[in-house]
Amino acid sequence: AQRVTQPEKLLSVFKGAPVELKCNYSYSGSPELFWYVQYSRQRLQLLLRHISRESIKGFTADLNKGETSFHLKKPFAQEEDSAMYYCALNNYGQNFVFGPGTRLSVLP
Amino acid sequence: GAGVSQSPSNKVTEKGKDVELRCDPISGHTALYWYRQSLGQGLEFLIYFQGNSAPDKSGLPSDRFSAERTGGSVSTLTIQRTQQEDSAVYLCASSPTTGTNYGYTFGSGTRLTVV
Repeated sequence: AQRVTQPEKLLSVFKGAPVELKCNYSYSGSPELFWYVQYSRQRLQLLLRHISRESIKGFTADLNKGETSFHLKKPFAQEEDSAMYYCALNNYGQNFVFGPGTRLSVLP
Repeated sequence: GAGVSQSPSNKVTEKGKDVELRCDPISGHTALYWYRQSLGQGLEFLIYFQGNSAPDKSGLPSDRFSAERTGGSVSTLTIQRTQQEDSAVYLCASSPTTGTNYGYTFGSGTRLTVV
């Protein structure tokens, strides 16, 4: 079955430190993965898509099919990065399967 | 409209009552989705609509839940005989198609509290 896991419920880092939010998936096919972010009192929004190979707000994510991972990384965390982050898998072009989310807290 | 609009933003209801939640997707988006966001549970898929095709209802948790989409635009999620475990934030999203690559645009959600 399609599944997305995010092992950390909460991740705290200091400002300027590197951050990595882990995401693993199980999927029988060619996966398409996304990261969504929800800032405090804002709606859930798309952060980046693996297919675009883009860097948004300094974040990048590389799809590793061998490890079935799509970890989100940023070399220097900022306080404004504090938010809830969800990894999501496109389920055969239909709905998305979301992970449980990781709350990132960037400390001053 | 410019974004996905949901109403009401907050709803408090008594156990056993029926509720209707409304979603107005982005104009021209053919795909519409409902998810439920519970504390510590992430996002749970409920149902999606694509154009005039029959909806995928595979995520609806019980027959107390139903949804319809009129004219390929506005959608209503109905919960009958609400229970306390139905308390959650109900999110609606739309996309230009169910095809890959696009991701969703989410509404701000309806926070449902069943007392």
